[in-house]
Amino acid sequence: DVKVTQSSRYLVKRTGEKVFLECVQDMDHENMFWYRQDPGLGLRLIYFSYDVKMKEKGDIPEGYSVSREKKERFSLILESASTNQTSMYLCASSLFMRVGHNEQFFGPGTRLTVL
Amino acid sequence: AQKVTQAQTEISVVEKEDVTLDCVYETRDTTYYLFWYKQPPSGELVFLIRRNSFDEQNEISGRYSWNFQKSTSSFNFTITASQVVDSAVYFCALTDSNYQLIWGAGTKLIIKP
Repeated sequence: DVKVTQSSRYLVKRTGEKVFLECVQDMDHENMFWYRQDPGLGLRLIYFSYDVKMKEKGDIPEGYSVSREKKERFSLILESASTNQTSMYLCASSLFMRVGHNEQFFGPGTRLTVL
Repeated sequence: AQKVTQAQTEISVVEKEDVTLDCVYETRDTTYYLFWYKQPPSGELVFLIRRNSFDEQNEISGRYSWNFQKSTSSFNFTITASQVVDSAVYFCALTDSNYQLIWGAGTKLIIKP
């Protein structure tokens, strides 16, 4: 079974802090994704990566950056956290990018609160 | 533009009732894929099914069934004899031309004992 793990289930940070959210997958998937989920807005894609050191902006990249130094690890970085970044953050991975039938496998999520 | 609409924000039924979750999609692509995911209260999204645009056969898996109709651009999900453990938020999604997932807003399903 694919396993996607995220470093924290719950995180509380202060405005202006730099925040790192870590995601690791153990199935040698090429693609990794970061979403945020907010009530009534569904899932919105922040960034994705289809290879090591490669990254692509999603729908809402502003205020975020990512890092993928190793295939299994994809980090989401909030350079200066703000209260409007309080949300549930979900990491996902999938096998190949250019194949339409790629189902994505998700981690348990990190609920981030920025005070 | 591609779009997925789940018009039912929340549905509440009593255990053992059948319930159908609606999903309507828009796309100009002739080849596309549709997905359903379940998000239980624990938060982790669980993949349920994938369907490609050339396969309109209905799918049944235990108490779950899916009805794909291209004529109405719908991919509806039915739970038969619902159980409390089915309580979750269910998402429908569609691949776009870049193979990214376009997500519906989700339907919260509450099964009362």
